[in-house]
Amino acid sequence: GESVGLHLPTLSVQEGDNSIINCAYSNSASDYFIWYKQESGKGPQFIIDIRSNMDKRQGQRVTVLLNKTVKHLSLQIAATQPGDSAVYFCAEMRETSGSRLTFGEGTQLTVNP
Amino acid sequence: SQTIHQWPATLVQPVGSPLSLECTVEGTSNPNLYWYRQAAGRGLQLLFYSVGIGQISSEVPQNLSASRPQDRQFILSSKKLLLSDSGFYLCAWSPAGVAQGDYNSPLHFGNGTRLTVT
Repeated sequence: GESVGLHLPTLSVQEGDNSIINCAYSNSASDYFIWYKQESGKGPQFIIDIRSNMDKRQGQRVTVLLNKTVKHLSLQIAATQPGDSAVYFCAEMRETSGSRLTFGEGTQLTVNP
Repeated sequence: SQTIHQWPATLVQPVGSPLSLECTVEGTSNPNLYWYRQAAGRGLQLLFYSVGIGQISSEVPQNLSASRPQDRQFILSSKKLLLSDSGFYLCAWSPAGVAQGDYNSPLHFGNGTRLTVT
């Protein structure tokens, strides 16, 4: 069946290092991808998105890479800070499903001082 | 700017009791509204979405129902709670038109309600 999943459930990095969080999707028809950050006890917060006609998109300290050939999505966080500690979700949407996003299981990022 | 409010933040209810969670959005008109459930340490499961007043679509069969009595108000209800209804419930909105394929605007989430059924 169709699914969006993450390679690793947890990721621990040192403060100041770069973080890479990965996500795999199974439906080649997916055309819009979003990364969300969820802090404990809060709702997910939008970080960055990318459409399938792009391979890379950059934001402030974050970069999303999309490899459609292998159906892989990654979120790179530069100079990771303690405030980046959270669960990160990828989500995908297909045009035929309108705005109904399918979420992955999430990766817990822990930043060590 | 647009804001979304959910309440209560936490709720403990006995099995068999009714449920009513409320969500309101401010600063936008005719938003698409959503209810998601999140199990501990897991991703989000879409329960209901609405593209207008009185228009509710259910994604999964369950013990819950949703209603949209006003343009910017979305309510999640149950007549009799089950233990399996425990979880973190999130309301979200997206601008009107997203459901029709304009998918450049992502979902915006509230801070959720932690429901524990005992």
